[in-house]
Amino acid sequence: DQQVKQNSPSLSVQEGRISILNCDYTNSMFDYFLWYKKYPAEGPTFLISISSIKDKNEDGRFTVFLNKSAKHLSLHIVPSQPGDSAVYFCAASEGDDKIIFGKGTRLHILP
Amino acid sequence: GAVVSQHPSWVICKSGTSVKIECRSLDFQATTMFWYRQFPKQSLMLMATSNEGSKATYEQGVEKDKFLINHASLTLSTLTVTSAHPEDSSFYICSAHRVHEQYFGPGTRLTVT
Repeated sequence: DQQVKQNSPSLSVQEGRISILNCDYTNSMFDYFLWYKKYPAEGPTFLISISSIKDKNEDGRFTVFLNKSAKHLSLHIVPSQPGDSAVYFCAASEGDDKIIFGKGTRLHILP
Repeated sequence: GAVVSQHPSWVICKSGTSVKIECRSLDFQATTMFWYRQFPKQSLMLMATSNEGSKATYEQGVEKDKFLINHASLTLSTLTVTSAHPEDSSFYICSAHRVHEQYFGPGTRLTVT
């Protein structure tokens, strides 16, 4: 049973517009959430995270929103740039337990 | 962020041979490391959790006798693909765990001919 779900396998966004990647989770005990970015043939790189005590965390062009009641988080990228084209993984953890990853969403930034 | 290295980055081997992939956390001690496999256009699949000084925990469906994992020190874990077959060709990624975060290695592309 998937505890972290990314229901959109791919997403295309025009350059300069906002990219919104969504993620749902089922385990209410998750208390830390992360987003990773992955280019082909490379390991994932950490992008941004949020603790369950917050509902928003912003870092430059990247903002993560957390809605605990809906068990939903989203990553906003604005403005989207060509270099943002990659696979984005949503991840969650409970305490110091292992991090559970979603299946990823492939983001295409269109010129 | 922390640095995790993998060696080799790319390896080609003949069917039936064994290949060892090393994963090192360069600037912190990782009591737990993870091994993932990624198929083309697919998500990361967790293969096993490697704990320093103890036996690895394998995910369901992963053959522990085929994918040997050793975590002999706090900075080194190895994955050995034994008797490799073409279907083992894949991109293998390790990660080192530190509270609330995992740091990934750059990955190793294995091609079995």
